[in-house]
Amino acid sequence: EVQLLESGGGLVQPGGSLTLSCAASGFTFRSYAMNWVRQAPGKGLEWVSGISASAGSTFYADSVKGRFTISRDNFKDTLFLQMNSLRAEDTALYYCAKHNGGSASPFDCWGQGTLVTVSS
Amino acid sequence: DIQMTQSPSSLSASVGDKVTITCRASQDISNYLAWYQQKSGKVPELLIYAASTLQSGVPSRFSGSGSGTDFTLTISSLQPEDVATYYCQKYNSAPRTFGGGTKVEIK
Repeated sequence: EVQLLESGGGLVQPGGSLTLSCAASGFTFRSYAMNWVRQAPGKGLEWVSGISASAGSTFYADSVKGRFTISRDNFKDTLFLQMNSLRAEDTALYYCAKHNGGSASPFDCWGQGTLVTVSS
Repeated sequence: DIQMTQSPSSLSASVGDKVTITCRASQDISNYLAWYQQKSGKVPELLIYAASTLQSGVPSRFSGSGSGTDFTLTISSLQPEDVATYYCQKYNSAPRTFGGGTKVEIK
């Protein structure tokens, strides 16, 4: 069974940093591009960042570019999101999501999410 | 960047009604369009991809159509378990933008 398990969320002050992790199992992690998607309380889905299977290409939403860094460890089947200079508007539930094929494919599996709260 | 616009933002319909949700891309995305269903407090689930291909296990009352810039999600006969928010997404290239969502309720 394909599973994605996020961790690392929590309460952080504005300007602070946090690193999220997503542990993958049940599929060949190194063969799939991965993404982070967030959802602010009561709001819609916002794509945040993506990374190719080999980690050779990374992509970011304008709202996080220069502050967030996506990475992956294909030996430990884990996806990461390093978040710096956090703002109140980054408060959200952060999901990791797997493509169902190559990079030009939809997201067929999502984790349960990890909550990030940015507040003083 | 390509923007994805959904309408309506919410709708209320009776059980058995046909429901239609539209999604418009600001530029041509061919058929690289997916629909997701998110029930309250739950994780989004893939319903339809390639604009009209049903994901495995999705009931046949759901269907999708369109190409280029205009897309439609149709529920042929609304059921109580279909109460959810539905999102479209372009996925051909980054940014893989979502539409704003359509909340579907039972009248």
